[in-house]
Amino acid sequence: GPKVLQIPSHQIIDMGQMVTLNCDPVSNHLYFYWYKQILGQQMEFLVNFYNGKVMEKSKLFKDQFSVERPDGSYFTLKIQPTALEDSAVYFCASSPGTGGLLANSDYTFGSGTRLLVI
Amino acid sequence: GDSVTQKQGQVTLSEDDFLFINCTYSTTTYPTLLWYVQYLGQGPQLLLKVTTANNKGISRGFEATYDKGTTSFHLQKASVQESDSAVYFCALVGGDTNAYKVIFGKGTHLHVLP
Repeated sequence: GPKVLQIPSHQIIDMGQMVTLNCDPVSNHLYFYWYKQILGQQMEFLVNFYNGKVMEKSKLFKDQFSVERPDGSYFTLKIQPTALEDSAVYFCASSPGTGGLLANSDYTFGSGTRLLVI
Repeated sequence: GDSVTQKQGQVTLSEDDFLFINCTYSTTTYPTLLWYVQYLGQGPQLLLKVTTANNKGISRGFEATYDKGTTSFHLQKASVQESDSAVYFCALVGGDTNAYKVIFGKGTHLHVLP
């Protein structure tokens, strides 16, 4: 089936530096998401994005976080500056955004970017 | 706000055992309920979903019934295999918030011994 590609799969970065996580969503999907997962635990919603704008963000989406998708390229999550507590696996997802509620529950998740801040 | 509760953090079974994973939800509207499975090193994959109360979702031998009366969506499988070892997340979408955010439970780690 269609896939969401996340690049890189792993990233180690020094605290205080900037990191950009890249996501290539399913080609005809309109809604994009970032989730954070620590140590194989709960998937925590960070942000969703549609038509070039953030629709909703959670308390976990700190001021140091930003998202964008310039001109239909990668959907990115940027963290600047990074902190130790940002170490986690970040999952990107996309959904169709058309066809009503039934279709829009068809989320496709990527395999995640494992971020380690040292 | 919406929430999903999975009380079992870990379940250990032997092959051919019966699986039951508890899930309850809280919302004031009529969400779609879902179960995701996450294998080691991968993202969550949709296992099954049910959009209508009192309906049952079935996939790969797993089943779950949307029980609006008890606000539950327990996952069951008659006979587990070692390959079923993974983390199972109960989730909802389209509750009090909107259709554009999946709310996950904390997950249940299933270990199936050969």
